This record gives sequence, C-alpha cells and structure tokens, in this order.
Amino acid sequence: DVKVTQSSRYLVKRTGEKVFLECVQDMDHENMFWYRQDPGLGLRLIYFSYDVKMKEKGDIPEGYSVSREKKERFSLILESASTNQTSMYLCASSLPGGSPYNEQFFGPGTRLTVL
Amino acid sequence: QKEVEQNSGPLSVPEGAIASLNCTYSDRGSQSFFWYRQYSGKSPELIMFIYSNGDKEDGRFTAQLNKASQYVSLLIRDSQPSDSATYLCAVTQGQNFVFGPGTRLSVLP
Repeated sequence: DVKVTQSSRYLVKRTGEKVFLECVQDMDHENMFWYRQDPGLGLRLIYFSYDVKMKEKGDIPEGYSVSREKKERFSLILESASTNQTSMYLCASSLPGGSPYNEQFFGPGTRLTVL
Repeated sequence: QKEVEQNSGPLSVPEGAIASLNCTYSDRGSQSFFWYRQYSGKSPELIMFIYSNGDKEDGRFTAQLNKASQYVSLLIRDSQPSDSATYLCAVTQGQNFVFGPGTRLSVLP
C-alpha cells in the first residue's frame, strides 16, 4: 500500500517560532509537493521538488522554505511563524510529469495553528 | 496563470440520482486529468484519472474528457450519502498539478 506520511496531524506554535513539517513517501517518487489549504481558497502550491536538492517555488512561497536532502523526504520550514500561516498543510508525491499513472498521492495533512 | 475552473456548488442530489461535476481548464498542453474526493478534515484521495478523449468508467464513476473543448467531467451514478464530499479536478502542467477550487456535493437520503 502506497504511503505518504507527515510528521504531525496537529501542531500548535507561537508567533516567531521556527516550524518544521516533515513528509516521507515510500513510493520512490521523484516529485514531491507542499500545499496549504484554506476554506474558500482551495489548494495552493507552496513549493515542489522534482529531484533531490532541487526545488521550485509555487504560487505562495513567501515565508516558507523547503529542504530535500533525500529522495523520500521533503521538509517544509516556516522560518518565523505568523498567525496568517495557520492552515492545513498537505504533502503529496508523484512520478514525473509525462509518466503513466503520475497521479499525486497525499499525506494525511498537518493542521497548524499559530498563536 | 493557467486556470482550472469547476461548477460552483454546493450541488445537492437525491440518493440514487446521477451527480454531474464539471471542470474546464485553460492550458491546452495539459495531458493528464484527475478527480479527487475530499471529505471534510481529510486529505484528497484519487478516484479517477483520464488521459485520452472519451469516457472512462470505474464502477459508479465515469470520467469524460474532451481536449478540444478543454473540458473534463465526472458522473456519479446511483449517488449515495457516502458520496457527499468536495470533488477536486486536477490537471497536469509539466511537472506540476493545478487544482480547481472544488465542488461540494451533498447526497440527500
């Protein structure tokens, strides 16, 4: 059974803290993605990575950074958490674009609250 | 900005009816098309994918793709209350995916 796991289901942090969200996939996928999802705004892409140590900005990268040191792990970092970063964060992975069966598989999500 | 649009919801159908969900996309280069179902508080799960023009059936679900019209749809036959969820349309753009805003479906017993 394919698996994308995220380090926490729920997280509460204080304004200004540095926050690490971890995502691990066991499908040997090249591509990994970080989204945030807010009511009425849908899924918004923060960053994605198509290879180890490679990263591309998505639609809303401001205030975030990412790290991909190993193929199976993609980390999202909030350098200095702010209340407007309170959201559901979803990690996903997929085969490369153009591959057959390149659908995205999602992790369970991390609901982050910044106080 | 390439866009994916979906019919605005919420969509309500009685149990046993056919639910029809629609999606249009702007990037003619998109090659792969997906429908995800998302229950409240949960992450999206894939229910259908389609790559070629025409229909693709899987149980009660049928996906339809028309690349000339840049249109993809999902039909749910014999709708059940358990089908009540938000349905997300996604299309590929190169290595990336673009998601629509979602359509919330309510199946009334």
